[in-house]
Amino acid sequence: QKEVEQNSGPLSVPEGAIASLNCTYSDRGSQSFFWYRQYSGKSPELIMSIYSNGDKEDGRFTAQLNKASQYVSLLIRDSQPSDSATYLCAVNTHLNNAGNMLTFGGGTRLMVKP
Amino acid sequence: GAVVSQHPSRVICKSGTSVKIECRSLDFQATTMFWYRQFPKQSLMLMATSNEGSKATYEQGVEKDKFLINHASLTLSTLTVTSAHPEDSSFYICSASVGSYTEAFFGQGTRLTVV
Repeated sequence: QKEVEQNSGPLSVPEGAIASLNCTYSDRGSQSFFWYRQYSGKSPELIMSIYSNGDKEDGRFTAQLNKASQYVSLLIRDSQPSDSATYLCAVNTHLNNAGNMLTFGGGTRLMVKP
Repeated sequence: GAVVSQHPSRVICKSGTSVKIECRSLDFQATTMFWYRQFPKQSLMLMATSNEGSKATYEQGVEKDKFLINHASLTLSTLTVTSAHPEDSSFYICSASVGSYTEAFFGQGTRLTVV
């Protein structure tokens, strides 16, 4: 069973702080890593993708990947109340004789308090 | 990003009837589409994976005769909930991807209520 693990939270941070969301995965063959944001009652939306070790920055978001440690994280700088949502980590996992698919973690609920 | 359209967004049906949910990729051809179910305050649960022109692969515990999936073209997949019961009430979400290592784009979701 290929797994993607996230702390369910809630992670509570004050407005303006840095929120750090973490994810570990079990499939060493994974090559693609994604972060999705899901507001309550809505479907997930893609916010970041990362494919190689290191950091990738996009606005207030930074994704970090460490394949040796099988660890991917998302940092949100200057957190805003509108960032309050559930953040889902997704990792492509190899299916035997069936290609690849995305496996999602359970999500971390982030609460940004004004 | 690419656009995936899911319809209807909300449906209420009577117990015992069937409901069809459509998922369309509007500006790309989706080699693979995924169907998820999500209960309140719970994480996404993958129901099945469908590839165009072939039978869907269902996750363990998902009844393939109850949740019929048809992936007739590279831009359309449908999920039919047959003989719906109140316990089938949930948020159903589809996603589509272009290739094996690419991201998946989600439809808006369908909130099904069976009364």
